[in-house]
Amino acid sequence: EAQVTQNPRYLITVTGKKLTVTCSQNMNHEYMSWYRQDPGLGLRQIYYSMNVEVTDKGDVPEGYKVSRKEKRNFPLILESPSPNQTSLYFCATKVGDLMNTEAFFGQGTRLTVV
Amino acid sequence: ELKVEQNPLFLSMQEGKNYTIYCNYSTTSDRLYWYRQDPGKSLESLFVLLSNGAVKQEGRLMASLDTKARLSTLHITAAVHDLSATYFCAVSQIQGAQKLVFGQGTRLTINP
Repeated sequence: EAQVTQNPRYLITVTGKKLTVTCSQNMNHEYMSWYRQDPGLGLRQIYYSMNVEVTDKGDVPEGYKVSRKEKRNFPLILESPSPNQTSLYFCATKVGDLMNTEAFFGQGTRLTVV
Repeated sequence: ELKVEQNPLFLSMQEGKNYTIYCNYSTTSDRLYWYRQDPGKSLESLFVLLSNGAVKQEGRLMASLDTKARLSTLHITAAVHDLSATYFCAVSQIQGAQKLVFGQGTRLTINP
């Protein structure tokens, strides 16, 4: 079964404590991306990756890092989380050509930073 | 910069009625997507519209794309309670960063 798996699903942490949200896909998709969802703002892209070792900033990259060492995994790293990073995070994957097919989304990770 | 706007943002309607959600976008694109999100859940792909004049239908939902007007519509026919959800449109950005730009979402509530 095609899957995009995020972990953890829920996380409460304190300001400044480094954390990683993992994303793994079994569809052999080249393109992976991270979004955050905030009320009234829809989804905004944080980072994306067109393939292994190829990553680039989206619209709201500040405070986040990513890596793409292997095709199936695309972790999101918050080196020093702050309360304004409290949000619902989604990982998405897609076949390499962005244009013609829909993206598949993970289940979401609800992060609270206190 | 590509911007995507949906309206209305909130919609409460009665079962059996028809209604339309509108999605406007600011720059040229001919790839538009509609997603559904249930509370606390992920996004589920509904439609992929790839060309001007494209129309797709699934059950009581029908989506269309007018690239000249930079407008897509999601029409709901004879609404039923199960269609209550938040609906997002998203547009592929052609130039620059490879991304989908999302609208704010329309929260649809269908009352019996």
